[in-house]
Amino acid sequence: GQQLNQSPQSMFIQEGEDVSMNCTSSSIFNTWLWYKQDPGEGPVLLIALYKAGELTSNGRLTAQFGITRKDSFLNISASIPSDVGIYFCAGQAWEYGNKLVFGAGTILRVKS
Amino acid sequence: DAGITQSPRHKVTETGTPVTLRCHQTENHRYMYWYRQDPGHGLRLIHYSYGVKDTDKGEVSDGYSVSRSKTEDFLLTLESATSSQTSVYFCAISDGGGKAFFGQGTRLTVV
Repeated sequence: GQQLNQSPQSMFIQEGEDVSMNCTSSSIFNTWLWYKQDPGEGPVLLIALYKAGELTSNGRLTAQFGITRKDSFLNISASIPSDVGIYFCAGQAWEYGNKLVFGAGTILRVKS
Repeated sequence: DAGITQSPRHKVTETGTPVTLRCHQTENHRYMYWYRQDPGHGLRLIHYSYGVKDTDKGEVSDGYSVSRSKTEDFLLTLESATSSQTSVYFCAISDGGGKAFFGQGTRLTVV
């Protein structure tokens, strides 16, 4: 089946730093999605990408749909304490019946 | 917030008993999904539905069955619960346009 490799697995942030994470696959996807999950909650959609090369922003978050359609990245600029949580990438492809496949997540923690 | 309600939110059950989790939506979306979330594995698809009475297996479907008799409800049944099915279960919905929205989750403990 399709697999998404998400990296890094975890990282520490200091307030004000920029953060980057990415997701790669051996399969082609038609849609890339980025979610954030807070403890005890369901994942919340941050950004949706529909076209190869697309660059989309949502406040301090920017995500891109890779040209090859096999990867995507998420940047968070000027991080703040409430950015901590787990970030998931997800991909969807019509030829796989619109199943949404997830990466294992990137855990963002605050550097003390 | 998308209109998705999962019930129950928490459940403790004994090994070998059947358990049914419910996902209810008020968005009239065609697609509904059941995922389980375990540390180190992210979200893994159990089953999904692409319409009333139309369902298909995901990557971790063994030991689970689903039913969708109407658009708004998608039921997940653990036929005979095992300790390996202790997990957090999430329902998600989508209109097929790409975006999927999640419920709050059900924490299931099998003892």
